[in-house]
Amino acid sequence: KNEVEQSPQNLTAQEGEFITINCSYSVGISALHWLQQHPGGGIVSLFMLSSGKKKHGRLIATINIQEKHSSLHITASHPRDSAVYICAVRINNDMRFGAGTRLTVKP
Amino acid sequence: DVKVTQSSRYLVKRTGEKVFLECVQDMDHENMFWYRQDPGLGLRLIYFSYDVKMKEKGDIPEGYSVSREKKERFSLILESASTNQTSMYLCASHRLAGRNEQFFGPGTRLTVL
Repeated sequence: KNEVEQSPQNLTAQEGEFITINCSYSVGISALHWLQQHPGGGIVSLFMLSSGKKKHGRLIATINIQEKHSSLHITASHPRDSAVYICAVRINNDMRFGAGTRLTVKP
Repeated sequence: DVKVTQSSRYLVKRTGEKVFLECVQDMDHENMFWYRQDPGLGLRLIYFSYDVKMKEKGDIPEGYSVSREKKERFSLILESASTNQTSMYLCASHRLAGRNEQFFGPGTRLTVL
């Protein structure tokens, strides 16, 4: 069983919809990261969380340490949000990754 | 502006060739990592290094070796490339201590024929 589970695996939305991607993990962590990977491969870090909630523009990330669960929300989604979103957890010096959620936002 | 660079975006090699993938970071980070990414499997750690000349095996080190002669450079070596090493390879780095963000390179898509 993977230490980091993401859902859904694939997600198609219409422009403007509110989107939620979920991440559950099974081990103690020091931080959780949400990453975005566009076609072509480049990965950028969206958020790093150890508690609570962070917001950046239309993106919101939350984490519940007790429940070992995090969510990434996108408000007013846009076709340019189409990408793979990856949840990753930091365990000491190691990183463990979810398999990613492929998001497609249609105009 | 922080930066992790990789020597090639696309690479095509033949079975049995020796392949070098180079990664350079300009942030004075102690930790550097090599991952491969395959559809449905996510990112898997091949090797990481937490200091010059130090290396640790990750989850899938077989068929690979690494070299870290200088702090800013971490090389991944495929001693004898095989077709099952066709993949996207991503390098990353972060600071040793604390809850620090990991920075990724643009990736190298390697095809072994």
